[in-house]
Amino acid sequence: DQQVKQNSPSLSVQEGRISILNCDYTNSMFDYFLWYKKYPAEGPTFLISISSIKDKNEDGRFTVFLNKSAKHLSLHIVPSQPGDSAVYFCAATMSNSGYALNFGKGTSLLVTP
Amino acid sequence: EPEVTQTPSHQVTQMGQEVILRCVPISNHLYFYWYRQILGQKVEFLVSFYNNEISEKSEIFDDQFSVERPDGSNFTLKIRSTKLEDSAMYFCASSRRETQYFGPGTRLLVL
Repeated sequence: DQQVKQNSPSLSVQEGRISILNCDYTNSMFDYFLWYKKYPAEGPTFLISISSIKDKNEDGRFTVFLNKSAKHLSLHIVPSQPGDSAVYFCAATMSNSGYALNFGKGTSLLVTP
Repeated sequence: EPEVTQTPSHQVTQMGQEVILRCVPISNHLYFYWYRQILGQKVEFLVSFYNNEISEKSEIFDDQFSVERPDGSNFTLKIRSTKLEDSAMYFCASSRRETQYFGPGTRLLVL
């Protein structure tokens, strides 16, 4: 069952503009959410995370927003750069599950010059 | 910066053969994991390992799979009798708590 959903398989954004990647989840027991970036034939690279007790976390150009009532989170990248082009995965976990990550299917971001 | 390493990067095997995938987690991490990604699909959790025992496993992690931390540094995934559907990228990860850091993966091809 798909507990973490990324409904947009792809997104194209111009360099310098904002990229917004969305993620929805169904399991209200998730208490920690993470975003990973992945290039082909490489492992996922951790970007940013947020605990369920917060609604926003910022790290440089990356900001993650969490709306618990809507079971929705988003990753904002401002400004977008061509090097940001990759597949972005949303993941969620429960502290009492051995931290097993549930991944979405990913959104492929293309930042064009 | 410390990173998770995995060997081999690629492995080709015949159906029914045993394979062992190796990982060296980040040294001060406490939790260790295996995930896999079948081509075109999402990354799937297989197993987590803490304090020298399995702490969580998915339905995929059946009796054909086992994990071991044979010494203080390595973490291995063994598939006893490989099937065609085991062909995938296998990722090892480690963490101190929630935030997991992934290795580059092993591409397993079962013929």
